[in-house]
Amino acid sequence: DTEVTQTPKHLVMGMTNKKSLKCEQHMGHRAMYWYKQKAKKPPELMFVYSYEKLSINESVPSRFSPECPNSSLLNLHLHALQPEDSALYLCASSLVRLAGGNEQFFGPGTRLTVL
Amino acid sequence: QQQVKQSPQSLIVQKGGISIINCAYENTAFDYFPWYQQFPGKGPALLIAIRPDVSEKKEGRFTISFNKSAKQFSLHIMDSQPGDSATYFCAASLGTASKLTFGTGTRLQVTL
Repeated sequence: DTEVTQTPKHLVMGMTNKKSLKCEQHMGHRAMYWYKQKAKKPPELMFVYSYEKLSINESVPSRFSPECPNSSLLNLHLHALQPEDSALYLCASSLVRLAGGNEQFFGPGTRLTVL
Repeated sequence: QQQVKQSPQSLIVQKGGISIINCAYENTAFDYFPWYQQFPGKGPALLIAIRPDVSEKKEGRFTISFNKSAKQFSLHIMDSQPGDSATYFCAASLGTASKLTFGTGTRLQVTL
C-alpha cells in the first residue's frame, strides 16, 4: 500500500459542531502531518507527529486538536470553527531518516466548509 | 529567512515545448528541495527532489537544476504535454520529519 487515505472527502459543518478528520497510511512511515490549503495558495503546515508524539505545532488555534492513536492513524478534531477555517485539509506522511531527507506523501485532502 | 520565492505565477507553453519554473531560497541550512504537482481538487504529488550536494537530477521528462551559490533551483519539463497542466510548487526543508516551506505556486497550462 503506497498511499495516504483521508476521510471524509467533503465535510460541511456549522460553527457549533464537533467533527473529526481522519488520515491513514500503511507505508510504515513514522512521521505524519496536517497541512491546511486555501484556494490558489500553497499548503501551510499545522502539526507534525513523529513516532506518535507531537513534535511541531505551528501556533494553531486550539479549536483544532490533533491526535495520533497509532503509527498508521492521524486524526484532526474540529470544534467551534469559524467560516475562515474553510479550506482543503491535507494529511501527509514520511519516513523519519537519521541521514535527513523529507519525502512527504500527501493524501487527497478533505474539503471543509464551515457555515 | 524561511521564504521560498517562486516564479512565474503562471505559464503557458505549447505542446512539445519546455516548461521552466524557478525558485529561490534564503535559508542556506535547507537540505532538501522537492517539487510537487497538484491537480484541482487533489493533494500535491511528489514529482522529483534534490539534495544540495547535487547540481542536477533527471527523472523522465522532469529535471531539477540546483545552483547552491545562487541559492536557486528550477524545474524543467521537457516535451510538455496537455496532461502536465497543473499547479507546481517548489519547497524546501531542513532535516527530517520537518516543515516543508512552499513557494507560492506556478499554474502551468500546456496548449495543443
